[in-house]
Amino acid sequence: DAKTTQPNSMESNEEEPVHLPCNHSTISGTDYIHWYRQLPSQGPEYVIHGLTSNVNNRMASLAIAEDRKSSTLILHRATLRDAAVYYCILWGGTSYGKLTFGQGTILTVHP
Amino acid sequence: DADVTQTPRNRITKTGKRIMLECSQTKGHDRMYWYRQDPGLGLRLIYYSFDVKDINKGEISDGYSVSRQAQAKFSLSLESAIPNQTALYFCAAEDGATGANVLTFGAGSRLTVL
Repeated sequence: DAKTTQPNSMESNEEEPVHLPCNHSTISGTDYIHWYRQLPSQGPEYVIHGLTSNVNNRMASLAIAEDRKSSTLILHRATLRDAAVYYCILWGGTSYGKLTFGQGTILTVHP
Repeated sequence: DADVTQTPRNRITKTGKRIMLECSQTKGHDRMYWYRQDPGLGLRLIYYSFDVKDINKGEISDGYSVSRQAQAKFSLSLESAIPNQTALYFCAAEDGATGANVLTFGAGSRLTVL
């Protein structure tokens, strides 16, 4: 199954942009790149997903490398409420139905 | 009401006891999942179900069983609980109809096995 690699932790200041990287060098052509986040004491929540093109929604932006071997989740203005564990996951294709979350990136936001 | 509801939210039990964790969803999705979360290990897939008659083992199904009683209900059972099954358990429902494959998770069930 295709794997993802993320930094264990990152820090940011409030109201500054945050770029969370993810490497997925063994991604297959049919795998979508999904991002979820888990706030303290809550279940994971969907953030954004994409296949090849960059994507934007009300929560974040997703920038996908041209070769699709890496992607970056962009929080344009971090708030204290964005402090969470962020998971980058490949979904579909060879990994469909076997979705497994890795350890993710712990994002700390400083006031 | 939450889209995905898990009961109980917290449970303490003893080794050897049978435990059932229940999950119900109001989203009308066909696909449902059970995950386990341990500190430092992320979430690991236990079982998943694509419809009432389609149940599949995930990464760590040993020691667990599931029942899909209806489209809206997916239960996880531990026939004989052991201490290393102490964990936080999450149920999720998937919106597969739109092609987005977005998961909606419940709030979790914390299980402690003494």
